[in-house]
Amino acid sequence: DGGITQSPKYLFRKEGQNVTLSCEQNLNHDAMYWYRQDPGQGLRLIYYSQIVNDFQKGDIAEGYSVSREKKESFPLTVTSAQKNPTAFYLCASSTIQYSRNQPQHFGDGTRLSIL
Amino acid sequence: KNEVEQSPQNLTAQEGEFITINCSYSVGISALHWLQQHPGGGIVSLFMLSSGKKKHGRLIATINIQEKHSSLHITASHPRDSAVYICAVRYSGGSNYKLTFGKGTLLTVNP
Repeated sequence: DGGITQSPKYLFRKEGQNVTLSCEQNLNHDAMYWYRQDPGQGLRLIYYSQIVNDFQKGDIAEGYSVSREKKESFPLTVTSAQKNPTAFYLCASSTIQYSRNQPQHFGDGTRLSIL
Repeated sequence: KNEVEQSPQNLTAQEGEFITINCSYSVGISALHWLQQHPGGGIVSLFMLSSGKKKHGRLIATINIQEKHSSLHITASHPRDSAVYICAVRYSGGSNYKLTFGKGTLLTVNP
């Protein structure tokens, strides 16, 4: 079945450490997104990519970095510059058609905690 | 500021009850999404609307563009409907792919 796979499901980070969250999709989608979810808040966009080797900052990109070397993969690195990284991270993907209104498909998320 | 407001924040119902969750937004949109997030965290897209009404099984979503308001209805609710329901909009004239999300409505259906 086609879908989005995020790994790991739970991740722990020490202070000053960079960690990378994996996101892989086999839906042949061009666009991929990373969101952060905090308790009591709506999802917020970190980064998105519409095509391989290109990506744009979202609303809360500081302290994060991404790469898009393959269409299927969009890993997110939470750097030591991110001072409050404890959150639930969701990856999503969608097609890019002439119409803007395409649904986004989501992964099951990665919960990141600070040790 | 473009915002998406959902009500209620929390909703508890008995099995079989009719459920309504509301979503309001502030400026013109090109599409509105209803999403379901289960306790494990994964999100499923339920509906995408730009006008009118859509139905899928026991779920019905409506949108009133003039009033900038959408509702998600669940008929004959069941404990398996317990989840967080999230409204998200794509604002007209904004980035092609950016969604603005509401904070979600936590629905608990008791047997």
